[in-house]
Amino acid sequence: DVKVTQSSRYLVKRTGEKVFLECVQDMDHENMFWYRQDPGLGLRLIYFSYDVKMKEKGDIPEGYSVSREKKERFSLILESASTNQTSMYLCASRLAGRETQYFGPGTRLLVL
Amino acid sequence: GENVEQHPSTLSVQEGDSAVIKCTYSDSASNYFPWYKQELGKGPQLIIDIRSNVGEKKDQRIAVTLNKTAKHFSLHITETQPEDSAVYFCAASKGSNDYKLSFGAGTTVTVRA
Repeated sequence: DVKVTQSSRYLVKRTGEKVFLECVQDMDHENMFWYRQDPGLGLRLIYFSYDVKMKEKGDIPEGYSVSREKKERFSLILESASTNQTSMYLCASRLAGRETQYFGPGTRLLVL
Repeated sequence: GENVEQHPSTLSVQEGDSAVIKCTYSDSASNYFPWYKQELGKGPQLIIDIRSNVGEKKDQRIAVTLNKTAKHFSLHITETQPEDSAVYFCAASKGSNDYKLSFGAGTTVTVRA
């Protein structure tokens, strides 16, 4: 079974803090994704990584950056957290050339 | 870009009844349409998908239909059970060479015992 794990299930941070969200997959997938999930808006793509050290902006990259130094790990960074970044963050991965994305359990981030 | 609309936003059904969720998409180049189910406290999980060369696909109690001309696709759940209670998302993409999945806003399904 594909397993995608996220470092924290719940996180509380203060405005202006630098926040790191970590995602690890164990299936040697080339592609990894970070989404943000908000009620009534579905899942919106923040960043995508084709492979190690490769990244592409998604629909809502402002205020976020990413790092992919190893194939299995994809990190989402909030350089200076703001209250409007309070949300559920979902990581996903997939094999290159396949459509199916596999999701982690999500990290619920609250920025005070 | 692709715009996927999903209706209804909430759906309450009696156990044993059927549930139908409908989605429309805007980009005629989209050719892959997955449905994800998200249970409480979990990430979304693929339950069924359909490609544009097929009009209908069935897997036990769930089925998906696609009308390419009208640019809409639907999820049908028959004989609903309490474990069907979840949030369901439809999505669309241009296939495996396109990394981008455009999601609908989600439908919260509640199955009443």
